[in-house]
Amino acid sequence: GESVGLHLPTLSVQEGDNSIINCAYSNSASDYFIWYKQESGKGPQFIIDIRSNMDKRQGQRVTVLLNKTVKHLSLQIAATQPGDSAVYFCAETTYNQGGKLIFGQGTELSVKP
Amino acid sequence: DAGVIQSPRHEVTEMGQEVTLRCKPISGHNSLFWYRQTMMRGLELLIYFNNNVPIDDSGMPEDRFSAKMPNASFSTLKIQPSEPRDSAVYFCASSLENPPDTQYFGPGTRLTVL
Repeated sequence: GESVGLHLPTLSVQEGDNSIINCAYSNSASDYFIWYKQESGKGPQFIIDIRSNMDKRQGQRVTVLLNKTVKHLSLQIAATQPGDSAVYFCAETTYNQGGKLIFGQGTELSVKP
Repeated sequence: DAGVIQSPRHEVTEMGQEVTLRCKPISGHNSLFWYRQTMMRGLELLIYFNNNVPIDDSGMPEDRFSAKMPNASFSTLKIQPSEPRDSAVYFCASSLENPPDTQYFGPGTRLTVL
């Protein structure tokens, strides 16, 4: 049969608006979470992380929220810029996994000028 | 810090040829990961090492794939013989093992097997 590529969820926002990217993680025992940004032709780049003893962490223009009750992670980007256009991945792991990350499928963020 | 270094950045080869991808992790990191990324399957973990020892190679597609880490500053991923379906971008990443920490990715090697 014919092969098809992954159809990534897509979020399109206007420059200057806030963006919210969501991720449902799989393992209730996961205790460390990371958001990565991947621009076209480049490797995934670390944005922000959060450990399970926290429910919110802020960086420069980015905030990560963790809801362990429903196994949900979100990335908020304030005042989105064209340079934020990329695919965003969430990743999870546990302390007994030796650092092995489980990646989500990714969300493509498109910023319109 | 130069970050994770991968070579070559691009590789085009013919089916049946041997391909060797190289990775230099960030100095001081004791975990190294090899990933493959395709449109079909997304980002897949192939194998990872802790302190130069392979820990989990369950993601290696088949016996044609092998990986080594002879020392803390160098790793290779070899495909022999290569097939067109191996065409993908291969990433290397490194991190500190304990506590589980951020993995830093290299720029990737884009492999095309004709």
